[in-house]
Amino acid sequence: GQQLNQSPQSMFIQEGEDVSMNCTSSSIFNTWLWYKQDPGEGPVLLIALYKAGELTSNGRLTAQFGITRKDSFLNISASIPSDVGIYFCAGRFLMTTDSWGKLQFGAGTQVVVTP
Amino acid sequence: ETGVTQTPRHLVMGMTNKKSLKCEQHLGHNAMYWYKQSAKKPLELMFVYSLEERVENNSVPSRFSPECPNSSHLFLHLHTLQPEDSALYLCASSQGTGGVNEQFFGPGTRLTVL
Repeated sequence: GQQLNQSPQSMFIQEGEDVSMNCTSSSIFNTWLWYKQDPGEGPVLLIALYKAGELTSNGRLTAQFGITRKDSFLNISASIPSDVGIYFCAGRFLMTTDSWGKLQFGAGTQVVVTP
Repeated sequence: ETGVTQTPRHLVMGMTNKKSLKCEQHLGHNAMYWYKQSAKKPLELMFVYSLEERVENNSVPSRFSPECPNSSHLFLHLHTLQPEDSALYLCASSQGTGGVNEQFFGPGTRLTVL
């Protein structure tokens, strides 16, 4: 079956630094999603990508859908303490727009921001 | 209430108990999902309901029994669980199951099986 590898597993960064994480798949996707999960809460959708090469920003967050359709990355610029949490990628391949497609999730990247 | 809500937020149960988890979505969505989240592992899809019909049962043991009485409510009935079933159980909803359909998650129920 499809495998989704997310790296790094964890990051310890100083406030103000940029953060970069990525996900790679063993097969192509036509949707990539990035979520953030705070302690004790459910994942919250940050960015959704639907086309190869697409680059989308949400405030200090930028995510790209890889040209090969097998990878995606998420960047956080000028990190602040509230960026702490676990970031998950998720991908899906649909044959047609009305078919059922299961989301595959990465194992997450734990981000810790120190002042 | 807005978004996706789940109750209870925390649950401790013995292996012989029967309990139920409840999920409610206030987004007008047609699809609802149950996921299991264990430490340092990817989210595991358990069940999917679309328009109150189950479309996915991801090889989940029968001690987990879902129920979807309408498109806004989803339950997960638990009985004779094992300690390894301890995890965060997340509910999600989406407008549909295909196409451009992002899933929105609830806060989860932290389950501990003694």
